[in-house]
Amino acid sequence: KAGVTQTPRYLIKTRGQQVTLSCSPISGHRSVSWYQQTPGQGLQFLFEYFSETQRNKGNFPGRFSGRQFSNSRSEMNVSTLELGDSALYLCASSRQGEGTNEKLFFGSGTQLSVL
Amino acid sequence: GQQVMQIPQYQHVQEGEDFTTYCNSSTTLSNIQWYKQRPGGHPVFLIQLVKSGEVKKQKRLTFQFGEAKKNSSLHITATQTTDVGTYFCAGADDYKLSFGAGTTVTVRA
Repeated sequence: KAGVTQTPRYLIKTRGQQVTLSCSPISGHRSVSWYQQTPGQGLQFLFEYFSETQRNKGNFPGRFSGRQFSNSRSEMNVSTLELGDSALYLCASSRQGEGTNEKLFFGSGTQLSVL
Repeated sequence: GQQVMQIPQYQHVQEGEDFTTYCNSSTTLSNIQWYKQRPGGHPVFLIQLVKSGEVKKQKRLTFQFGEAKKNSSLHITATQTTDVGTYFCAGADDYKLSFGAGTTVTVRA
């Protein structure tokens, strides 16, 4: 069974631009969560999608948005990029999602650098 | 809201020694999970604890969930170079999973 796939692996953007990251969950998994990881800050929860609906949201500004498609694939968009958005963005999938007794399967992440 | 604190942030260990990392939540948890992230890698699930006072072992790793379900610990015995990485705890309530900041472990051979 294929794991969680994130594309692209690396991305370099400049301030003010926007970016879209993609995540394909494990087959059969309906929940996709997004996390931002920066050195020393751990994993900061962005949002979680389940059956094309945003079910939970973290404390990030509205520049961060996402969506989920009918095949459970998810995209995350960041508009008007700032230098502080430079981070590793991780996607994780699970069968049913947050708040349940399920483990998360993480993708390899997209390393975003904002110049 | 729920906050999960993890200490220490860094742990430098001599090979062969033991160490413990601790995780504390501001609220009662339904379960707690532990993940390991190797340098340059992504978090990988290690274990989940659900019951109050639960203790689980994986070879040299011992995981414990507190009686009040608000804290947890990971104890590693006889540390090896393969234990290098960052260990995250993640506490679950009814709505979401909150990760601690992680304990980054380095090993001196």
